[in-house]
Amino acid sequence: NAGVTQTPKFQVLKTGQSMTLQCAQDMNHNSMYWYRQDPGMGLRLIYYSASEGTTDKGEVPNGYNVSRLNKREFSLRLESAAPSQTSVYFCASSRAGVNQPQHFGDGTRLSIL
Amino acid sequence: GNSVTQMEGPVTLSEEAFLTINCTYTATGYPSLFWYVQYPGEGLQLLLKATKADDKGSNKGFEATYRKETTSFHLEKGSVQVSDSAVYFCALNYGGATNKLIFGTGTLLAVQP
Repeated sequence: NAGVTQTPKFQVLKTGQSMTLQCAQDMNHNSMYWYRQDPGMGLRLIYYSASEGTTDKGEVPNGYNVSRLNKREFSLRLESAAPSQTSVYFCASSRAGVNQPQHFGDGTRLSIL
Repeated sequence: GNSVTQMEGPVTLSEEAFLTINCTYTATGYPSLFWYVQYPGEGLQLLLKATKADDKGSNKGFEATYRKETTSFHLEKGSVQVSDSAVYFCALNYGGATNKLIFGTGTLLAVQP
C-alpha cells in the first residue's frame, strides 16, 4: 500500500529558484493538505483542498501556490524560493467528513541557500 | 484564537516507566482533539482522538481524556517500550468538516532499555 507519496525526498535550491513539490494519494480521498514542519513550531497548514478544482489558504500561504490536478494529485509550488522557506514539507489526505484522520506522506526536506 | 500547548521535551524514560505528556488547548467552541505520532524518518500517523468532553481516546496502550474544565488532553501510557520512541503531537480540529488541524510543537520521547 503506497498511501501518500511525496517527491522528491530531498532538494537544495538557491534563493530565487522555483520548484514544485509533488504529492499523490491512492486512497481515493477527497481532501488533501500541505504542511510545513519547522523546529519548535510543530506543523502549520499551508493550503488545503476539499476536492478536485478547489483550494483554500491555511495559516501560512504566503510565497506558495497549489494545484489540485485531479483527485489523486496535489502539488505545491514555490515561485521564488527564499531561505525562510527552508523546512520539511508534508502532504496529507483524508476522507471527507468531520474528524477523519489525516494520512501523511514521509515528507520532503527542502533547503534554500 | 485557537492554539495548542505541549510540554517541551525531550522526555527520557526507562522501559516500563509511566508516561505522561501534557497538552492544553485554547479554542472557540468544542473542537475535537487528536494525538499524532511521528517515528523517525516518517510522516505523522493518528494515534488516538476524542470528539467531545469526557471522551477517552485509546490505542496501543496509550490513552487521553478530553477535559473541558481544564482544557486539557494529556497523553498517558502505563508502561512504555523502546519502540514507543518518537515525537508526539497534540492537535485540534478548528475547521469542522474541513478537518483543518492546529498542532502543538511536538514532544520527543526517548525510551531507554
